[in-house]
Amino acid sequence: QKEVEQDPGPLSVPEGAIVSLNCTYSNSAFQYFMWYRQYSRKGPELLMYTYSSGNKEDGRFTAQVDKSSKYISLFIRDSQPSDSATYLCAMSAPGGSYIPTFGRGTSLIVHP
Amino acid sequence: GAVVSQHPSWVICKSGTSVKIECRSLDFQATTMFWYRQFPKQSLMLMATSNEGSKATYEQGVEKDKFLINHASLTLSTLTVTSAHPEDSSFYICSARQLGQANYEQYFGPGTRLTVT
Repeated sequence: QKEVEQDPGPLSVPEGAIVSLNCTYSNSAFQYFMWYRQYSRKGPELLMYTYSSGNKEDGRFTAQVDKSSKYISLFIRDSQPSDSATYLCAMSAPGGSYIPTFGRGTSLIVHP
Repeated sequence: GAVVSQHPSWVICKSGTSVKIECRSLDFQATTMFWYRQFPKQSLMLMATSNEGSKATYEQGVEKDKFLINHASLTLSTLTVTSAHPEDSSFYICSARQLGQANYEQYFGPGTRLTVT
């Protein structure tokens, strides 16, 4: 079992839909949880991070962490075609310089 | 702020030759840089971590004699793929972390696509 599991998709939704992206993990030591957006042939950019459990909202994006279930989510409200990208979850634990472990990414397509 | 550049963005080389990829932090000093490779529809795989002025720390399974990493200054790290083979064709991405930055923060470069023919 991989440390971080993420469905690669693609996930195709109409413009305006609410998108739910998810990851599960096995390492209970993970404390920092990040979501990155990666456009085709570009490097990832950090969207959101959460420390430990809870929710965090930033504009149309909401990140949720449920450590008891080892499950994290990213919700995108009012999705736009410009949101079409690959979304990677990442998580890190104390020790080892907090180097993150990445999921394989979910490809999201928002069609007009 | 926090811009990381990579050069070249795309390179084609013949099997057996060596290729150097540069990673620069443009507006901050990067005490730690990371090198990743990414195959199509796959996750980022960490290859090595380099701290300025120190030897790089390679992940298990990454040949340090094949993937030479140099982090000679606080703004520049280089990855040299020596004696490249077609199986080395991949997307190579660097990221950088600034001294004093939060542990989760690292800024990624735009990546370099390497094709070995």
